[in-house]
Amino acid sequence: GESVGLHLPTLSVQEGDNSIINCAYSNSASDYFIWYKQESGKGPQFIIDIRSNMDKRQGQRVTVLLNKTVKHLSLQIAATQPGDSAVYFCAERAGGSYIPTFGRGTSLIVHP
Amino acid sequence: GAGVSQSPRYKVAKRGQDVALRCDPISGHVSLFWYQQALGQGPEFLTYFQNEAQLDKSGLPSDRFFAERPEGSVSTLKIQRTQQEDSAVYLCASSPYAGGSLQETQYFGPGTRLLVL
Repeated sequence: GESVGLHLPTLSVQEGDNSIINCAYSNSASDYFIWYKQESGKGPQFIIDIRSNMDKRQGQRVTVLLNKTVKHLSLQIAATQPGDSAVYFCAERAGGSYIPTFGRGTSLIVHP
Repeated sequence: GAGVSQSPRYKVAKRGQDVALRCDPISGHVSLFWYQQALGQGPEFLTYFQNEAQLDKSGLPSDRFFAERPEGSVSTLKIQRTQQEDSAVYLCASSPYAGGSLQETQYFGPGTRLLVL
């Protein structure tokens, strides 16, 4: 299930399940969105991105959905594996800016 | 090939001590970014270099923070008179393109975890 505690929101799933991680962004001028995966002791790693002129983009086992009306972004991971366990961050960038603004992360825990 | 490396990986400093954090970007990368990541939070932008030029330092929290990239490759983030609130992970990222490129091309290092006692 999903819970929001004092620290990172946490999503716990069983191996093989599909995972959905949600993110709300704040800047209506943002036109580029990125999902990162950060494992313990490592820097963020690019997963997938999407431009504001798209609603959906698919990668390998991952799909990003963008709803600009409600300023909401989601990351779907198919057939989640233990190696997917990490903290996931969404980030937004406004037109031409080189500075991504990171949202609050979600900790994904995959149980074998 | 080698990715972005940072050293030291861990640093414990006494309050008031000066520290220097090093970033070795991917060879040939034009852009270099520094971020600060507090526990349980996303990275926050500190400063940006394009080659040796520091084009943006708007995220540096105080004048105790100073960054340089004198030859357009290795960068050092220096924090003078460290305070407890400086405790965080300091991330470096590099990119082969100039800032504002149409796609995300930042490659992050593992970070330096700074603890100020």
